Amino acid sequence: GAGVSQSPRYKVAKRGQDVALRCDPISGHVSLFWYQQALGQGPEFLTYFQNEAQLDKSGLPSDRFFAERPEGSVSTLKIQRTQQEDSAVYLCASSLTGRGETQYFGPGTRLLVL
Amino acid sequence: SQQGEEDPQALSIQEGENATMNCSYKTSINNLQWYRQNSGRGLVHLILIRSNEREKHSGRLRVTLDTSKKSSSLLITASRAADTASYFCATMTKGGSEKLVFGKGTKLTVNP
Repeated sequence: GAGVSQSPRYKVAKRGQDVALRCDPISGHVSLFWYQQALGQGPEFLTYFQNEAQLDKSGLPSDRFFAERPEGSVSTLKIQRTQQEDSAVYLCASSLTGRGETQYFGPGTRLLVL
Repeated sequence: SQQGEEDPQALSIQEGENATMNCSYKTSINNLQWYRQNSGRGLVHLILIRSNEREKHSGRLRVTLDTSKKSSSLLITASRAADTASYFCATMTKGGSEKLVFGKGTKLTVNP
């Protein structure tokens, strides 16, 4: 079956622009996660949804980062007024119930802020 | 902030040899997961081991977990050039959110 998909795969933004990154989880998966991966580092947690409820947003680095999942399926991560330090790969993952289960990752969106 | 520390940071071996990567972490965990990442690609899940398990196998992969030492190891036997990738351990903290906390990874190179 289809895995987690993300779009766009690559995004180049000028500093100060707003960007929106999309994640389509595996069909039927209740939990959805966003991670940020800087070059040469492991992924770092940003935020997590169970259905449409955002249960943990402790990893969002600033109030310029906002995520939503209004219908409990597709999620969008929005970054306002992008800065160069936002350049990274943004990974989305989903799990069936989220209760200590395997998280399946998408291919990521590589964001470059110039 | 990253909880896990993988060791070594980089490992280079010949095809057919075994590769062992270690992971240490700091808090009590619900489970520990190992992932593989090829250059420029997403993460591929390898094995999940729960806190009450000590060892798990999957094909050429063997994972051990020692909760008293807060450490885990991933053994890849009879390595292949296609195993060349970065390997990450990720922990789910007990009693915490469902988020995974990743280490910095071990970069494995298998030479043909």
